[in-house]
Amino acid sequence: GIQVEQSPPDLILQEGANSTLRCNFSDSVNNLQWFHQNPWGQLINLFYIPSGTKQNGRLSATTVATERYSLLYISSSQTTDSGVYFCAVDWGSTLGRLYFGRGTQLTVWP
Amino acid sequence: KAGVTQTPRYLIKTRGQQVTLSCSPISGHRSVSWYQQTPGQGLQFLFEYFSETQRNKGNFPGRFSGRQFSNSRSEMNVSTLELGDSALYLCASAKDTSTDTQYFGPGTRLTVL
Repeated sequence: GIQVEQSPPDLILQEGANSTLRCNFSDSVNNLQWFHQNPWGQLINLFYIPSGTKQNGRLSATTVATERYSLLYISSSQTTDSGVYFCAVDWGSTLGRLYFGRGTQLTVWP
Repeated sequence: KAGVTQTPRYLIKTRGQQVTLSCSPISGHRSVSWYQQTPGQGLQFLFEYFSETQRNKGNFPGRFSGRQFSNSRSEMNVSTLELGDSALYLCASAKDTSTDTQYFGPGTRLTVL
């Protein structure tokens, strides 16, 4: 199967700092999504980004499909950004299945 | 419009019992997927249903089963519960194909004692 690797596994920042989270995948993918898991466990959609760049407020994402990686940028971090960030890919002919990385645990201190 | 809903939110069962979890997708979505999340294994795919048909299944034992109804609501059942089944169970819905954005519900946290 496909391998999805996220780095770093843990990230600790002070409020106001910027950060970059990385997702590498081992094969061509149909699509890629970034999620934020809140403290209650729900996965919140951030981006659907099989290729290119998207921005939403302080967050932006870039996927370079030909080089098999995606980046999530968080600018001016806030304590509410804390949580686990997952990237997930849709691969091959397995309809409706997402393959998840292990996530990046982000902690933002005031 | 309303998001994906899951019931119950929390559940405590004992070994050997069975459990049924429910998921109501976003209105108009026909695909429902289920995932298990544990600290050790991360997020693992259980199965996906589309128009009442199971299209894809992950590597879980036959104790894990599911179904989808004509209104797209889905249920998953776990029989003969084991301690290792303690997990957060998440369902996701999508409009149609696997290339659509998947939206997740709040999850059901199952504890097996």
